[in-house]
This record gives sequence, C-alpha cells and structure tokens, in this order.
Amino acid sequence: SQQGEEDPQALSIQEGENATMNCSYKTSINNLQWYRQNSGRGLVHLILIRSNEREKHSGRLRVTLDTSKKSSSLLITASRAADTASYFCATAYDGNNRLAFGKGNQVVVIP
Amino acid sequence: DTAVSQTPKYLVTQMGNDKSIKCEQNLGHDTMYWYKQDSKKFLKIMFSYNNKELIINETVPNRFSPKSPDKAHLNLHINSLELGDSAVYFCASSQAASTYEQYFGPGTRLTVT
Repeated sequence: SQQGEEDPQALSIQEGENATMNCSYKTSINNLQWYRQNSGRGLVHLILIRSNEREKHSGRLRVTLDTSKKSSSLLITASRAADTASYFCATAYDGNNRLAFGKGNQVVVIP
Repeated sequence: DTAVSQTPKYLVTQMGNDKSIKCEQNLGHDTMYWYKQDSKKFLKIMFSYNNKELIINETVPNRFSPKSPDKAHLNLHINSLELGDSAVYFCASSQAASTYEQYFGPGTRLTVT
C-alpha cells in the first residue's frame, strides 16, 4: 500500500529559523495532508493539498507538491518553541477509504 | 467543546484481561477510525466505520473487535490482552470516507503488564 515517507526524521533548530521537511510517496494521489502531533497528544490536521495544486499556504506554513517527483515539502517559517512536535504526511488516493501515514519528523525548536 | 473524545486516557492492565476503549465525536461526521501508534510513532489503521458500517478491517488479531452503536460512537474491545498490544490507540473521524481530513482524539495509552 502507499506510504508517505518523511525526510529528515529529526530536526533541531533555533527559534526564528525555518524548518523544512519532505515527504515522498509511491503512487498517484488524490491529495496529501500534513499533521502535527505534540507530545502525548493526538494528531492535528494542518493543511491539505490536492493533486492539482502545487503550493499552498496557511499562516507560517507552506506546503509544496510535486506530483512528477511524487514528493511534498512542509516549510515552517519563523519557528517558535511551540512548533516542537512530530510532523506527519499522509496520502489519500481515489478508490481507497484511508490515509497512509508516513513515519513522522521530530522537530525540536530551541528557544 | 471536545470534537473527538476518548476514554480512558490511560489504561494499565494485565495480560489476559479484556478491556474496552470508547470514542465519541460531536462533529456530525459519517466516518470514524481506530489507529494504533507504536513506540516508534508509526501510525497504523485498524478499522473504519462509515455510517455504522465497517469499511476497513485491516489485518489485526480477531481479539480486537470494533463496535459502532451509532455514527457518533466507535468503541474498541480487546480480548485476552497481550504484551504486544501495548501502544497508544487513537480514534479519529472525518466528514466522509475516502480523502477528507481527519480529526483525532487525544489517544488512549494502553499498557499491558
């Protein structure tokens, strides 16, 4: 089954810096979603980008999607300590009633 | 108001016991899910119900049995608990099956001793 895979797995940055993480997948998708998970909490949906979109913004988040390379990136600008979390990409494709989650990126923002 | 709630938040029990986890969503969604997250944070789908009908039933031991009394509730019952069942279990819901974004509950940390 299709699976998103994030890269890198762990990232440690200073507050104010930008954080970028990538996700790759294997087959054609309907959309790709990014989720955040704070320690000890459930996943929170951040942003959804459809297969016919190339870039999407939400606040300090920017997501890109390159369907030719089957990859996506999540950029967090001007990071804050509260951005410390694990970030997961998830792919959805037609004909399937599920999301396939990647392994997650751990991001630590140092104040 | 909590959108997706789960009880209990923590569950510590001995091998061989039977336990249940309850989930409720007040978002008016048609579809609900159970996921298992292991110690490496890998998230695996277990079950999904759409309007009380089972639509996803992944390869999980038949000791795990979901029940959906109505579309706002999806419970998970586990028989004869084993050490390997220790994990965090998440309930989630979405507007419909397929490709919509999902809303997750806070998780239930199950520890089997």
